Amino acid sequence: GNSVTQMEGPVTLSEEAFLTINCTYTATGYPSLFWYVQYPGEGLQLLLKATKADDKGSNKGFEATYRKETTSFHLEKGSVQVSDSAVYFCALKTSYDKVIFGPGTSLSVIP
Amino acid sequence: DGGITQSPKYLFRKEGQNVTLSCEQNLNHDAMYWYRQDPGQGLRLIYYSQIVNDFQKGDIAEGYSVSREKKESFPLTVTSAQKNPTAFYLCASSIRGQGNTEAFFGQGTRLTVV
Repeated sequence: GNSVTQMEGPVTLSEEAFLTINCTYTATGYPSLFWYVQYPGEGLQLLLKATKADDKGSNKGFEATYRKETTSFHLEKGSVQVSDSAVYFCALKTSYDKVIFGPGTSLSVIP
Repeated sequence: DGGITQSPKYLFRKEGQNVTLSCEQNLNHDAMYWYRQDPGQGLRLIYYSQIVNDFQKGDIAEGYSVSREKKESFPLTVTSAQKNPTAFYLCASSIRGQGNTEAFFGQGTRLTVV
């Protein structure tokens, strides 16, 4: 079946620290991969995506590379800010439109 | 502005009552989804629909029902058979048949059953 696993945290970092949130997936076929961000009390917003192997998605200083050989899509940012504090979800979408999410990783950035 | 509207934002119901959550979109998307979010458990798929008059069960469909009579609307009914209905419910939509397109989310409905 299809599933997404990610480090659950919570993760606490100081401002300007390097961020990595690991994500691995299991899927039949060739899914597209996404990172979403959720701020308190709100719905999810797309952060970045990659649709095929070796694609790199990037947005707002965040990056993730679609690694088919390791079935991974790790999220990275070189220097986090307080405003990056949120919950981050890794997700995949299958060719038949099913969208599966990981458990989410809560990030707190302290000044 | 195009988007997804979920209403109401907060909903309170007595135990044993059915309740229907509304989800409307004007993005012209064929695919629509319902997720349940509990603390520490991420988003779990309840139902999804790829086209009008068709829908599939997700991972936790028991105790829920849906209908898809119109492209714009995908209401979710939480029935009395759902053992633990208190949760945050999120509706989403996406373009159908294009796996590389993202899902767009509403702002959610927080259901509390007392």
